[in-house]
Amino acid sequence: DGGITQSPKYLFRKEGQNVTLSCEQNLNHDAMYWYRQDPGQGLRLIYYSQIVNDFQKGDIAEGYSVSREKKESFPLTVTSAQKNPTAFYLCASSIETTGPRRSGVRETQYFGPGTRLLVL
Amino acid sequence: AQSVTQPDIHITVSEGASLELRCNYSYGATPYLFWYVQSPGQGLQLLLKYFSGDTLVQGIKGFEAEFKRSQSSFNLRKPSVHWSDAAEYFCAVGAQGAGGTSYGKLTFGQGTILTVHP
Repeated sequence: DGGITQSPKYLFRKEGQNVTLSCEQNLNHDAMYWYRQDPGQGLRLIYYSQIVNDFQKGDIAEGYSVSREKKESFPLTVTSAQKNPTAFYLCASSIETTGPRRSGVRETQYFGPGTRLLVL
Repeated sequence: AQSVTQPDIHITVSEGASLELRCNYSYGATPYLFWYVQSPGQGLQLLLKYFSGDTLVQGIKGFEAEFKRSQSSFNLRKPSVHWSDAAEYFCAVGAQGAGGTSYGKLTFGQGTILTVHP
């Protein structure tokens, strides 16, 4: 089965603790993303990576870190510096395709099932 | 920078009724547009996308959307709603960055929660 897997489904963090969320894809997609979802706020981009060993900050990167050592994997660490970590975290991967009639290159993002992080 | 507005936070329809979810975008060039659906506690599933060409786009689960450049809209429609359509729906707009790549340029709306009454 091709797809994106995230683990664990639920994660509990204690005060001052770093926790790591896993994201793996076997779709052979180049780019991978991490989003945070809070009720009523839609999706906010944390980090993304277009290629192995390279990643860029999104809109809300403070208190988070990532690595991209393999094409298939893009783990997210929520550090103790993130003061409000309780949220639903979504991983995505994407592929760019060239549209018809020189419409340019466009990406389509596909999402994993998410990890809910709760603070004890 | 691009932006997306979904004016309706919550919509309630009866099963079998027609549905239209509104999406307005702001972007200086020709956008590319998506609708995703999310069931509670789940990830987002792609319903349909518009890249170029025919402005009426067909998607999965009987959904369609129409791109109207003059109104900066990309509304999602379904002629007859089923109880299983109850979920949250997100509109997203993409843009092309420097060098022609589009990575990292997707902006999501706040979402519309759909409730279906039997």
